[in-house]
Amino acid sequence: DSGVTQTPKHLITATGQRVTLRCSPRSGDLSVYWYQQSLDQGLQFLIQYYNGEERAKGNILERFSAQQFPDLHSELNLSSLELGDSALYFCASSLAGTGVETQYFGPGTRLLVL
Amino acid sequence: EDQVTQSPEALRLQEGESSSLNCSYTVSGLRGLFWYRQDPGKGPEFLFTLYSAGEEKEKERLKATLTKKESFLHITAPKPEDSATYLCAGNTGRRALTFGSGTRLQVQP
Repeated sequence: DSGVTQTPKHLITATGQRVTLRCSPRSGDLSVYWYQQSLDQGLQFLIQYYNGEERAKGNILERFSAQQFPDLHSELNLSSLELGDSALYFCASSLAGTGVETQYFGPGTRLLVL
Repeated sequence: EDQVTQSPEALRLQEGESSSLNCSYTVSGLRGLFWYRQDPGKGPEFLFTLYSAGEEKEKERLKATLTKKESFLHITAPKPEDSATYLCAGNTGRRALTFGSGTRLQVQP
């Protein structure tokens, strides 16, 4: 158990809908990262937050957005969902978000868009 | 563009048959090389971090090494419970990990 929690574990929804994924980092970690894992793309970095502020952006679509709240939990919002958004979404956390420290991953949310 | 390449894509071993997984990287200014283990449908589980060429780290039957161009994950006398996908990732200090596509390891009893 990494100490990172994610909810829900599974999500089934329809195209065009909007969903919210939630992540709580390990105790003491200030930085949260979101990754997408699909069969043909592997693990792709989406976005990073540090202590409530956006720190880095990866291949995140404009339909997707995220935020980190004062209690340090983070939410990833996916809107206007398409079939291709079906994937595993992982949250990771690290202490200070410097880039050279270990990122610990949560169990993931499996999203299926029908 | 930063790139991490893992080989082989898949590896099937008999229990007790040692082998090595390769991770080569073209990441300018690499500041950390990470190994993770991932079971199907689960989140990546941290194994090792290597920071400089020549560094080695061990954990049970696993040993990770790092050179200037690549990293190896050596598996000694594997057991069926070592079956998983092993992921390698590089970090340049820009905060995001660049992952390889992984090596799917299957250890047969």
